[in-house]
Amino acid sequence: EDQVTQSPEALRLQEGESSSLNCSYTVSGLRGLFWYRQDPGKGPEFLFTLYSAGEEKEKERLKATLTKKESFLHITAPKPEDSATYLCAVQAAETSGSRLTFGEGTQLTVNP
Amino acid sequence: DVKVTQSSRYLVKRTGEKVFLECVQDMDHENMFWYRQDPGLGLRLIYFSYDVKMKEKGDIPEGYSVSREKKERFSLILESASTNQTSMYLCASRRQGGGYTFGSGTRLTVV
Repeated sequence: EDQVTQSPEALRLQEGESSSLNCSYTVSGLRGLFWYRQDPGKGPEFLFTLYSAGEEKEKERLKATLTKKESFLHITAPKPEDSATYLCAVQAAETSGSRLTFGEGTQLTVNP
Repeated sequence: DVKVTQSSRYLVKRTGEKVFLECVQDMDHENMFWYRQDPGLGLRLIYFSYDVKMKEKGDIPEGYSVSREKKERFSLILESASTNQTSMYLCASRRQGGGYTFGSGTRLTVV
C-alpha cells in the first residue's frame, strides 16, 4: 500500500526564517511526486511535480527536491503570504487513472 | 488556466436526503476525481473516472456513487446522507501526464 508521511504537522516561522518541510513516501514504483499549497477553505493549488531522484524545481521562495525515499520543500526567507497548508502526494507506477495518494499536510504559519 | 467549478461552496442537508455534488471542468481533461478532506485524515479518494461513463472506486466509496455522462462533468451522489459524511468535498481533474487542478471545494454539513 502506498503511504505518504509529512512532517512536521505544523511549523511556525518568523518572516525571513528559512526552513524545510519533509515528505517521506513508500510506493511501488514512483511515477511522480506532487506538491500542493492549500489556503483555508479553498482547494489545493498545484506547485510542483518531481519525477526522479535528484530532480529539483523552484518557484519564487520555494524549492522542491526529491530522493528515493523523501522529498523536501525548502522555503527561503518566507513571507506571511506563504502561510498555508502544504500537501505532498505520490502517484505510483502501477496505479490506474492517475490517482494520487496524499499526505496529511504541514500547516505553515509565517509571522511578520 | 484550467478551471474546475464545484456547484456549491456550502451545503446543509438532512440525514437520509439524496445529495448531488456537481463538478465541471473546462479543459477537456480525461481524468476526474472526487476526494473528501477531514482533519487528521487528509484527502481520501472516493471515486474517479478516466473517461465518459467509466468510473472506478477509490479508497472510501461506501455510501457514494458517481455519474459521468459528459466529459466535462463529474457528479458525486450521496444516496442517503449520514452525519459521518459531513466533510469538505474536493473535485479535481487531470490531463494525462499533468498535475491535478482542484475546485474550490464544497463544505457539506449533514444534520
